[in-house]
Amino acid sequence: GQQVMQIPQYQHVQEGEDFTTYCNSSTTLSNIQWYKQRPGGHPVFLIQLVKSGEVKKQKRLTFQFGEAKKNSSLHITATQTTDVGTYFCAGMKTSYDKVIFGPGTSLSVIP
Amino acid sequence: DAGVIQSPRHEVTEMGQEVTLRCKPISGHDYLFWYRQTMMRGLELLIYFNNNVPIDDSGMPEDRFSAKMPNASFSTLKIQPSEPRDSAVYFCASSPSRNYGYTFGSGTRLTVV
Repeated sequence: GQQVMQIPQYQHVQEGEDFTTYCNSSTTLSNIQWYKQRPGGHPVFLIQLVKSGEVKKQKRLTFQFGEAKKNSSLHITATQTTDVGTYFCAGMKTSYDKVIFGPGTSLSVIP
Repeated sequence: DAGVIQSPRHEVTEMGQEVTLRCKPISGHDYLFWYRQTMMRGLELLIYFNNNVPIDDSGMPEDRFSAKMPNASFSTLKIQPSEPRDSAVYFCASSPSRNYGYTFGSGTRLTVV
């Protein structure tokens, strides 16, 4: 079945360093969503990418959707302690399938 | 908007007891999802509804689990009888469409002893 993988599983960075998490699907996706979950919290929707090669920015966060629509990345520039949490990608194979969540990348930021 | 509201926030119960989790989605959202989150299995979709109708329950682990949505503003997830391996955080989420981001509730942390 459809699988969504993420790497790395964990990432520890010094405050101010950059961070990137990668998401890969075994099948072509119709869209991909990104969520952030703070420790003890619930997933919060960040963004959705739909088009091949699409790039979107939210302040220090940059999201990319691969040309083949099978991979995606989230890059955070100059991390801050408020960026701590687990980042999930969630892919949908077609417009009529359910969203499949990746296992997440847990980010720790050392002040 | 108060967001997706789940109750209770925490539930501790003994093995064999019935557990009912509740969810109020955002008004106007046609889709409602029930997820379970554990360290081992991550976020698992259990079941989702469209306009109060169950569409896909293939993620429901076994017959002990059941979900209902009697109207657009209320859904329940019931476990009967509960087992220790059911211990997890259960999230409800809603969305205006299946191709749009989901809004999650704060979750119910279930502990079965």
